[in-house]
Amino acid sequence: KNQVEQSPQSLIILEGKNCTLQCNYTVSPFSNLRWYKQDTGRGPVSLTIMTFSENTKSNGRYTATLDADTKQSSLHITASQLSDSASYICVVSWGNRGSTLGRLYFGRGTQLTVWP
Amino acid sequence: SQTIHQWPATLVQPVGSPLSLECTVEGTSNPNLYWYRQAAGRGLQLLFYSVGIGQISSEVPQNLSASRPQDRQFILSSKKLLLSDSGFYLCAWSDWNTEAFFGQGTRLTVV
Repeated sequence: KNQVEQSPQSLIILEGKNCTLQCNYTVSPFSNLRWYKQDTGRGPVSLTIMTFSENTKSNGRYTATLDADTKQSSLHITASQLSDSASYICVVSWGNRGSTLGRLYFGRGTQLTVWP
Repeated sequence: SQTIHQWPATLVQPVGSPLSLECTVEGTSNPNLYWYRQAAGRGLQLLFYSVGIGQISSEVPQNLSASRPQDRQFILSSKKLLLSDSGFYLCAWSDWNTEAFFGQGTRLTVV
């Protein structure tokens, strides 16, 4: 069964601290993995996208890693800011290259709260 | 560039009334289209996805239906809303190997 599991479910950190969010998946065949940030009441916004051959992808203070062998990904946030408070969602795309049947599998997200 | 439009942004409907949420995509052709629901404090739940005109896959049995009358138009409907239909509804599109782009969502409250 294709699934995406995220941990922790929620996390509270102090401003300026670093944190790491985890994503494990069983989606096969795997196409790519994306991390999204969703502010309350808004649509998710893409942070990073990684294909099978990519191990690390950075976007400012956000760094995503991917281990396709163990089917694990992490999102590391450095020097957290109050504006980082949001839900972070791991999304895995299913499907083979060239397939028009690709679809998305979503994790339930990690709710991050940054305190001053 | 590609854009996705979803409306309305908020909606308050009485129990038993019909529902129609519309989503349109610009700047791409033959996108994969998705409808998601997010209950308060919960993750995204896939409701429907479509790989082409008239091709709809339903993920969970429910009170809702979806249609794709045109290549870049995706509609979420209900004949009679239930209280449990309240939630945050998101439309999204993707190609097989590109990012998924989301609309801004519709906050539906059934009263």
